[in-house]
Amino acid sequence: DAGVTQSPTHLIKTRGQQVTLRCSPKSGHDTVSWYQQALGQGPQFIFQYYEEEERQRGNFPDRFSGHQFPNYSSELNVNALLLGDSALYLCASSTPVGLDEQFFGPGTRLTVL
Amino acid sequence: QKEVEQDPGPLSVPEGAIVSLNCTYSNSAFQYFMWYRQYSRKGPELLMYTYSSGNKEDGRFTAQVDKSSKYISLFIRDSQPSDSATYLCAMRRDTGFQKLVFGTGTRLLVSP
Repeated sequence: DAGVTQSPTHLIKTRGQQVTLRCSPKSGHDTVSWYQQALGQGPQFIFQYYEEEERQRGNFPDRFSGHQFPNYSSELNVNALLLGDSALYLCASSTPVGLDEQFFGPGTRLTVL
Repeated sequence: QKEVEQDPGPLSVPEGAIVSLNCTYSNSAFQYFMWYRQYSRKGPELLMYTYSSGNKEDGRFTAQVDKSSKYISLFIRDSQPSDSATYLCAMRRDTGFQKLVFGTGTRLLVSP
């Protein structure tokens, strides 16, 4: 059973560029959440998708947007990259209700120069 | 003030020691409490998951939740060098579509 997978593993962009990160949830999971983890910090919630809709959003600007596909996979898009967007971007999957916990992927490390 | 406070460490202990990791929080609405282990440049791995107050044990790991004090703990018995990692506490409210709120993580170093 494959866990949560993310691609790419790492990438380097320059300020002002746009980036798309991808996530496939764990088998049986239909809810995907995205988190940003800066160096030395805990993950910060960006947003959560269920049934192809954004269900909840954290305190991130509109430059951060997402999408969920019918197969439950998801994309995170960041426009107009800033140096401060450099971080590990984590995807977590779960079922939306009850006691189920969130399982994380290995993350995509984004460096903005 | 952050919703979840966690000492960043590092915490250095010898192999075989009992390790105590802690978090405090301010939001009384939190009902689900988790501990994740994160190795360098990897994603967090779920270790323990508890609901409301009480204790939960799994092998060498014990999680405690004291909601009256807004304080949670993770104990690791017979610590091993392979336990060296960053330990993140996380919590969420008692309804669906709720985000996890994390502490900053405590870096643990277990020396042989």
